[in-house]
Amino acid sequence: ILNVEQSPQSLHVQEGDSTNFTCSFPSSNFYALHWYRWETAKSPEALFVMTLNGDEKKKGRISATLNTKEGYSYLYIKGSQPEDSATYLCAFPSSNDYKLSFGAGTTVTVRA
Amino acid sequence: EAGVAQSPRYKIIEKRQSVAFWCNPISGHATLYWYQQILGQGPKLLIQFQNNGVVDDSQLPKDRFSAERLKGVDSTLKIQPAKLEDSAVYLCASSLGTVGGPYNEQFFGPGTRLTVL
Repeated sequence: ILNVEQSPQSLHVQEGDSTNFTCSFPSSNFYALHWYRWETAKSPEALFVMTLNGDEKKKGRISATLNTKEGYSYLYIKGSQPEDSATYLCAFPSSNDYKLSFGAGTTVTVRA
Repeated sequence: EAGVAQSPRYKIIEKRQSVAFWCNPISGHATLYWYQQILGQGPKLLIQFQNNGVVDDSQLPKDRFSAERLKGVDSTLKIQPAKLEDSAVYLCASSLGTVGGPYNEQFFGPGTRLTVL
């Protein structure tokens, strides 16, 4: 099991504000980093698979950046909406068997 | 395309009772995973199947947990007897590849929330 940490554990955002949060992972033997969004009472859904240092991916108002040398990824939400309320999980595959180690997640609550 | 199905969605039992969870993966997906997510922690892999064979069950508490995937499709996860610390969300996921690479996307079901009293 690899050490994957996410911070903060939770945050509250006013509708329309932008926010960001972090996933830290081991910087050695990097292959990929996965981001998932998990809304209450729904299935976790894949947002991004980050593979290249300096990579930036975007899906609507959500974007992610990757720094493999220092071992972190940021997820940004621009102009937060109530439907962005969810727990955002990152997951790091191990180099030998590719099993995913998940962070504990950042729970975002967007207040109208 | 239908997603990963799980049932039941919620289950409340008393300690020392038995419980079973069911998962139906996406059609054609060879690999199936069961995860346990305890409140405040990330999902932890319990067991991984490739078709109907076990690839990894190193983190499955085998004295009380068992899982099977008959005919390489549906899977059941059983806990017997349950303990208080088994209270968690049990997630099932599936992926297309027969060999799970680091880029392999996993598709999750909605989970079963188990409360052990």
